[in-house]
Amino acid sequence: DQQVKQNSPSLSVQEGRISILNCDYTNSMFDYFLWYKKYPAEGPTFLISISSIKDKNEDGRFTVFLNKSAKHLSLHIVPSQPGDSAVYFCAASARSASGTYKYIFGTGTRLKVLA
Amino acid sequence: DAGVTQSPTHLIKTRGQQVTLRCSPKSGHDTVSWYQQALGQGPQFIFQYYEEEERQRGNFPDRFSGHQFPNYSSELNVNALLLGDSALYLCASRHTSGEGYTFGSGTRLTVV
Repeated sequence: DQQVKQNSPSLSVQEGRISILNCDYTNSMFDYFLWYKKYPAEGPTFLISISSIKDKNEDGRFTVFLNKSAKHLSLHIVPSQPGDSAVYFCAASARSASGTYKYIFGTGTRLKVLA
Repeated sequence: DAGVTQSPTHLIKTRGQQVTLRCSPKSGHDTVSWYQQALGQGPQFIFQYYEEEERQRGNFPDRFSGHQFPNYSSELNVNALLLGDSALYLCASRHTSGEGYTFGSGTRLTVV
């Protein structure tokens, strides 16, 4: 039961253009979403997050959009740079009864930015 | 400022053996979670520790156990290793009031 889905395993984009990475989720209780970037031989690095009370969050070249009715979020990278080439994971969480969060990750999208 | 450190970085064990993986959280972080990442998959939540107690658990058997120490460091123990336990094990820490987790580089466990 994959609650968080990234249906595109890979994406190639020209340097300077926009990269759009998509993520769908099924659990309507999720209220906090994050994107992580992972380079080979390294652990995932936190990139950007969004709470369910917002529909957009921006941080420099990275913007995350949340469409709660469609249970869909996307990460936009503008402009894309070769250093952005990595695997991107989206993750979702819901606050448990004990007040803790656990994150459910998607399977990742490998982004390749071509120079 | 050291981030999350994990040891060892690589490990090879034989089926049926037991293994202990270690994690030191980022300075100022008090919550530690462990994830298993199989090849080609996203990280799967194993469990989370806060105040030396297991607070949440994912769909992993009891062979997977953990511990958190007073200095917030943590251990993941896996008993009776199976070939399917071969994976990258990631430790992640955060402060309870913080945002996303900071991940370590992981321990690559190979069971033969």
